[in-house]
Amino acid sequence: DGGITQSPKYLFRKEGQNVTLSCEQNLNHDAMYWYRQDPGQGLRLIYYSQIVNDFQKGDIAEGYSVSREKKESFPLTVTSAQKNPTAFYLCASSWDAGGNQPQHFGDGTRLSIL
Amino acid sequence: QQPVQSPQAVILREGEDAVINCSSSKALYSVHWYRQKHGEAPVFLMILLKGGEQKGHEKISASFNEKKQQSSLYLTASQLSYSGTYFCGTEETKMDSNYQLIWGAGTKLIIKP
Repeated sequence: DGGITQSPKYLFRKEGQNVTLSCEQNLNHDAMYWYRQDPGQGLRLIYYSQIVNDFQKGDIAEGYSVSREKKESFPLTVTSAQKNPTAFYLCASSWDAGGNQPQHFGDGTRLSIL
Repeated sequence: QQPVQSPQAVILREGEDAVINCSSSKALYSVHWYRQKHGEAPVFLMILLKGGEQKGHEKISASFNEKKQQSSLYLTASQLSYSGTYFCGTEETKMDSNYQLIWGAGTKLIIKP
């Protein structure tokens, strides 16, 4: 079955540590996105990529980094510069980055600070 | 700017109807609707493009009033499975090629038997 796989489901970060969240899709979608969701709030865009080897910052990119070396993979690194990383992180993809395309989401990674 | 969803929460009995609104202060190109159950990924419901269209999906339908910069989601004869938080995502009419959905804070829907 086609879909988006995020791993791990739960992740704990120590002070000063960088952690990487994995996102893989086999839907052959060109566009991929990373969102952060805090309790009781909507989704906020961290980064998105419309094509391999290209990505743009979203509203809250500070303290995060991404890469898009392969079409199917869009990992997110939460760096030590992100002082409040505790949140639910969602990866999504769509055929292209257009307003008439639905986004398909992975099951998310819940990140907490130790 | 984040669209405003109303109400913030609603509690219904099974079989009752609900309306969820999503309003923006800016001109919109499209409105997306998703439902998210607790701890799970959001699930796509429908997209409405500017032009004042209305769409339906089983007993869930939506309208998009371009002039009012507003979309409404209608849930008819609600079922227990409709419980969850409903989000709208809006795309503003843009002059450049950057694409970004701006998400509302969500409307929590609780359906009781």
